[in-house]
Amino acid sequence: GENVEQHPSTLSVQEGDSAVIKCTYSDSASNYFPWYKQELGKRPQLIIDIRSNVGEKKDQRIAVTLNKTAKHFSLHITETQPEDSAVYFCAATSNYGQNFVFGPGTRLSVLP
Amino acid sequence: DAGVIQSPRHEVTEMGQEVTLRCKPISGHDYLFWYRQTMMRGLELLIYFNNNVPIDDSGMPEDRFSAKMPNASFSTLKIQPSEPRDSAVYFCASSTLRETGELFFGEGSRLTVL
Repeated sequence: GENVEQHPSTLSVQEGDSAVIKCTYSDSASNYFPWYKQELGKRPQLIIDIRSNVGEKKDQRIAVTLNKTAKHFSLHITETQPEDSAVYFCAATSNYGQNFVFGPGTRLSVLP
Repeated sequence: DAGVIQSPRHEVTEMGQEVTLRCKPISGHDYLFWYRQTMMRGLELLIYFNNNVPIDDSGMPEDRFSAKMPNASFSTLKIQPSEPRDSAVYFCASSTLRETGELFFGEGSRLTVL
């Protein structure tokens, strides 16, 4: 089955700096890679996703890149703000919309 | 739509008691998922349904756990008997392939087993 690793487990950045979180996956059949943000005590919510036929996708300050050959994908947050502080989960699935396997999460702290 | 609705939000029970968690998915969604979240193990998929039929229950930890979906608007996750190691936040999520692959999570049920 699919195995998703995520690094780093914790990340602290100064407000205004960029943050990068990386994930690797094991199943070459995986074709859908979403990122979820979970604020303290809240539910996970989708912030961006990418499909295997695309190498990069951007939405305002966040972007995701995918390298299918190396089986890794990354989340990039630019101009970080305190409200970006949360736990970020990557996921991978070979059955679009079905049994996602989540990474262990990255706790991002944006320091004022 | 009100989103995915879970109840109870918080449950404190004693070891050995039966626990039932409830979920109402978003209307029109044909996939329903139960996840368990702990600090040690992160987000674990327990089971998911498609059109009310269980598709993959390989994540259900043991026979003490069971899940049902009697109709398109209701699902339950039952733990009997409960143990302290079952303490976690249990999330229900729903989705539909007719739109995107996005999982819509409920607020979660925080279970504490003493």
